[in-house]
Parts: sequence; structure tokens; C-alpha cells
Amino acid sequence: DAGVIQSPRHEVTEMGQEVTLRCKPISGHDYLFWYRQTMMRGLELLIYFNNNVPIDDSGMPEDRFSAKMPNASFSTLKIQPSEPRDSAVYFCASSLPGTGPGNTIYFGEGSWLTVV
Amino acid sequence: GEDVEQSLFLSVREGDSSVINCTYTDSSSTYLYWYKQEPGAGLQLLTYIFSNMDMKQDQRLTVLLNKKDKHLSLRIADTQTGDSAIYFCAESTSGGSYIPTFGRGTSLIVHP
Repeated sequence: DAGVIQSPRHEVTEMGQEVTLRCKPISGHDYLFWYRQTMMRGLELLIYFNNNVPIDDSGMPEDRFSAKMPNASFSTLKIQPSEPRDSAVYFCASSLPGTGPGNTIYFGEGSWLTVV
Repeated sequence: GEDVEQSLFLSVREGDSSVINCTYTDSSSTYLYWYKQEPGAGLQLLTYIFSNMDMKQDQRLTVLLNKKDKHLSLRIADTQTGDSAIYFCAESTSGGSYIPTFGRGTSLIVHP
């Protein structure tokens, strides 16, 4: 399997613009996670889905952030409008049900976002 | 305070042992994990330990769990420059649907 695939790998955008990050989870994985990593706050769980349904979005910082999972093989994280403080690495990850030790969370390589 | 705490940096000489420490707050933690993040990449599971275990060894890696003190450590024997990375401690519980809670990561720097 190709692993979790994220796009774009790098994006530089101007403040106020809309940003859409995309993710293709590993085939057969029922859980999909969006994380954000910054130096200041470390790794934060933004939202996760189970079987395409959002389960917990309490980590989404504000209404400017939205995430969708229209089908089992695709998810998006959208920021509109973007702000400089949104600059971070955004990771998508997926796992099998249960997320016990045998059901490892597999991370994508991340989308490096810079908002200027 | 944070649920999972780690020191941010550790510097060791090549060939020495590295010990990365982690403390957590949830006494009902069922699984504890170590993930590794290499530069420019996502996190990868390195090893894990079930809460009823005290120790787990896997080649150069030794995980020690002190459940009473809620302390987890990762020892890397004969540390190599390729071990330079960020190491994340994480814990999960059945109450949290086994979704891991991550620490902020410890940057391990290995110098010659």
C-alpha cells in the first residue's frame, strides 16, 4: 500500500486566502485523523472520523477550519480565511478500528503550510 | 498541566545510550507508545507497551514502565546518528476510544 497520501506537500499562501488540504487514507482503514504540529503547541488532534462520520471535532481551533470526508478514500481540511498563525504542518493519519496497539495510526508525510 | 509531558531536547554522543523520559496523568492508560518522527516526515510507531507490563525490549530499544509513578522511558542503546529524530510519547485508554494522546515530543540530537 502507498500509505497515507497528502497533498499539497508544501503551500505558501497569502493571508485571507482559502486553503484546502487533501488526504487519501490507507485503503480499509476506518479511522481518519487530522493533526496540526507547531513548535509552540506540539502535535494537536484537530478532528477524527470513523466510517466517514466526524466523531470529535473539539480540537478544531475555530470556525475558519472545517473538515469533510465525503467517502472512505478522501478527506479535506479547509481553512477559510487563512491567517499567519495557521502556519504549521498538518498531518493526516488513518488506522483500523479499535486503535489498539495492533491497529497502529499511520501518518502521512504532512502538508507544510505557510500563510504570509 | 498537559496529559503527557516530555522534555523537549536531548543531546547524546554517538555510541552512548539515550534515555527519553515521559510522564502521563491518566492512571487508566491502557497502552503507551513511542513514535518516531524523522525530519520532514510523519510519525511512525516505534514500539508500544501494554499497561500490565514493566518492560519491553526490541533490539536496541528498551521501554520501561513505572505505572505507580506514571513514568515511561525509552532507552536506545548504542545511539547512532540515524537515531536523530523527534520521539513522541503517547498513551491511550478505552475511555478515550484508544485514540492516543501525544506528548510534545523530545528532539534527540546525536553528535559524533
